[in-house]
Amino acid sequence: DADVTQTPRNRITKTGKRIMLECSQTKGHDRMYWYRQDPGLGLRLIYYSFDVKDINKGEISDGYSVSRQAQAKFSLSLESAIPNQTALYFCATSAPGETQYFGPGTRLLVL
Amino acid sequence: AQTVTQSQPEMSVQEAETVTLSCTYDTSENNYYLFWYKQPPSRQMILVIRQEAYKQQNATENRFSVNFQKAAKSFSLKISDSQLGDTAMYFCALGGSGGSNYKLTFGKGTLLTVNP
Repeated sequence: DADVTQTPRNRITKTGKRIMLECSQTKGHDRMYWYRQDPGLGLRLIYYSFDVKDINKGEISDGYSVSRQAQAKFSLSLESAIPNQTALYFCATSAPGETQYFGPGTRLLVL
Repeated sequence: AQTVTQSQPEMSVQEAETVTLSCTYDTSENNYYLFWYKQPPSRQMILVIRQEAYKQQNATENRFSVNFQKAAKSFSLKISDSQLGDTAMYFCALGGSGGSNYKLTFGKGTLLTVNP
C-alpha cells in the first residue's frame, strides 16, 4: 500500500463550487504539505503543517484553506473554485528536516 | 530568498548513453539540502537522490550520481546507461535548514526523453 494517498485522483468542478482534496499518510510523519503544480512553473507551496495544531501559509495560500484532522490526515479546500485553480495538486509528508515524500497527485479542472 | 534554476527545458538521449541535467541555486544559508525528483508520465513525484550541503562527497544511487559544486552553487544530475524508463520530467529542489527546514524550492523542471 502507498505511504501517502490522495483522494480524488481526478476532479472536474464548476466555478464557484466548494471542493475538498484529501491526503492521508502512514509514514508516521508530523509534517504535511500541500503543493500545486502548473505547467512550466514547478511546484509551489500552498500550506504546510508541523503538527495538528500548527498550520502555516505557504507562498500561494490565497483562495485555499486547510484542515489537519489528525497526524495522518491533511485536507485542502477551495471555498469557491475559479478556473485559474486548475492544476495538479500534491500532498507531501516529512520528518523534521528530512526528505519530503509525495502522494500521487490530484488533477483538478475548474470549468 | 531561495531560488533554483534549471536552464534546460528539454533534453534527449539515446538508450544506454549518459546524460547530465543542470541545476544552479541560490541561498543565504550555510547548511541546506539538495534533491532531484523524477516525475514520469504517471505524474508521481519520486525522489531520485539527495545531497547534504555539508558533505563534500557526491551522492550516488545506482545509475544516478550528482556533481555538487558548493562554491559555484551548482548541482547537476548524471544518469548513466540511460533506460527508456528514465523518460520523465526531472526537478531540482533546494531544502532549507534550521528555521526554514520545512521549505522546498523547486526549479521549473527538465523534460528528459530517452530514445530507443
